Amino acid sequence: DQQVKQNSPSLSVQEGRISILNCDYTNSMFDYFLWYKKYPAEGPTFLISISSIKDKNEDGRFTVFLNKSAKHLSLHIVPSQPGDSAVYFCAASYTGKLIFGQGTTLQVKP
Amino acid sequence: DGGITQSPKYLFRKEGQNVTLSCEQNLNHDAMYWYRQDPGQGLRLIYYSQIVNDFQKGDIAEGYSVSREKKESFPLTVTSAQKNPTAFYLCASTHRGEFYNEQFFGPGTRLTVL
Repeated sequence: DQQVKQNSPSLSVQEGRISILNCDYTNSMFDYFLWYKKYPAEGPTFLISISSIKDKNEDGRFTVFLNKSAKHLSLHIVPSQPGDSAVYFCAASYTGKLIFGQGTTLQVKP
Repeated sequence: DGGITQSPKYLFRKEGQNVTLSCEQNLNHDAMYWYRQDPGQGLRLIYYSQIVNDFQKGDIAEGYSVSREKKESFPLTVTSAQKNPTAFYLCASTHRGEFYNEQFFGPGTRLTVL
């Protein structure tokens, strides 16, 4: 039973355009959501997060949107850069644990 | 220079042997976690510990064991009972409490069982 789902295994965008990564969840008890970025053979690094009481959080080129009624969150990267190419994981927090999605591989083409 | 260290980076073992993966943090974090990553899958929780001398099973604990004798250390033993031990193992830590959600990850250990 996958409580956090990233239905797009991969995404390819042109440099300078917007990248939109999506994530769906099923458990309404999740109270915090996070996005991590991961390069091959390295540990994930924290990118941005959002509390369940908010619907938007922005940090530079990265913005996370939360739609609680739809149980959906998305990460927007504007403008996309080649260095953004990595695997992106969304995660949901509940009772001190993080539940991760399967990840989306983003490729930003020059 | 605070952080989480995992050693070794790459580990090879013969089938049927137990192997212990190291995880050390100097961030003064209370909680520590072990995850496993397989191709095309997200990070799956193996074990976690929120305080010293206490730990709980995650979603895929079978074939693994842990200990938490010190706040800084949370070693993971992959036993011969684990059916598919070849994977990328990640250790993470965070402060304990409802206001701390971000987990900090180590660089990972790639375990290959031959």
